[in-house]
Amino acid sequence: SAVISQKPSRDICQRGTSLTIQCQVDSQVTMMFWYRQQPGQSLTLIATANQGSEATYESGFVIDKFPISRPNLTFSTLTVSNMSPEDSSIYLCSVEGGGSYGYTFGSGTRLTVV
Amino acid sequence: DAKTTQPPSMDCAEGRAANLPCNHSTISGNEYVYWYRQIHSQGPQYIIHGLKNNETNEMASLIITEDRKSSTLILPHATLRDTAVYYCIATSKGAQKLVFGQGTRLTINP
Repeated sequence: SAVISQKPSRDICQRGTSLTIQCQVDSQVTMMFWYRQQPGQSLTLIATANQGSEATYESGFVIDKFPISRPNLTFSTLTVSNMSPEDSSIYLCSVEGGGSYGYTFGSGTRLTVV
Repeated sequence: DAKTTQPPSMDCAEGRAANLPCNHSTISGNEYVYWYRQIHSQGPQYIIHGLKNNETNEMASLIITEDRKSSTLILPHATLRDTAVYYCIATSKGAQKLVFGQGTRLTINP
C-alpha cells in the first residue's frame, strides 16, 4: 500500500496567520483527500484534490479558507488560512491504497491556534 | 454511502475475541463494508473489507449477514494495542471518498 509522509506533525500558531500542510506519497495517485478531525470528533472530509484541476470542496468548506495545491501526482498541500482557535484540529491527508488495502492515511498534523 | 450505526463504546478483556457490530440496513448491492481503526493520535488504518462473503486477513475477520444489513468485525485475540476507535463504512468502490461516522471506541482491558 501507499506510504504517506505528512508535515508538520504538529504546530502552534497565532490567530490570523496561515499554515501550509504538506502531504507526500511514495507512488503516483490520481486523487488525494484532505480531512479534518476536531477534538473528540470523527473525521470530516474537507476536499478532494485531483492533479491538474481545482479541488472539489465538501459542503461547509471553501477554497478561500482551505486553499489546496496539487502540483503533481505525488504531492499536495492544504493551507489553513486566517486561523482562529476554532481551526484547532488534526488535519489528515489520504489516498487510495490500491488493491485490497483500502485507503491510506497520513499520520496527521495536530494544529493548535492560540 | 449507506448510513451505518455502531455502538459508541465497547469493552473487551485482553486475550478474548472482540466482536464489533455494525448495522447498515440501507446498504445497496454495489456497496462494500469497510472497517478502519484509529489508534489515539494516529491516522486511520485500514483493517478489512467485504461485499457479501465473510473475509479474513491477518488482522481480523469480517462476518456479513446473508441479507447484508449488518456485519461484525472480529478481533480474535484482542491485545491492549487494539484499543482504538473502530469505524464501519459502507461505500461503493467507485465512490472515491470515505465518509466517517462516529465509530465504536473499543477499550481492551488487562
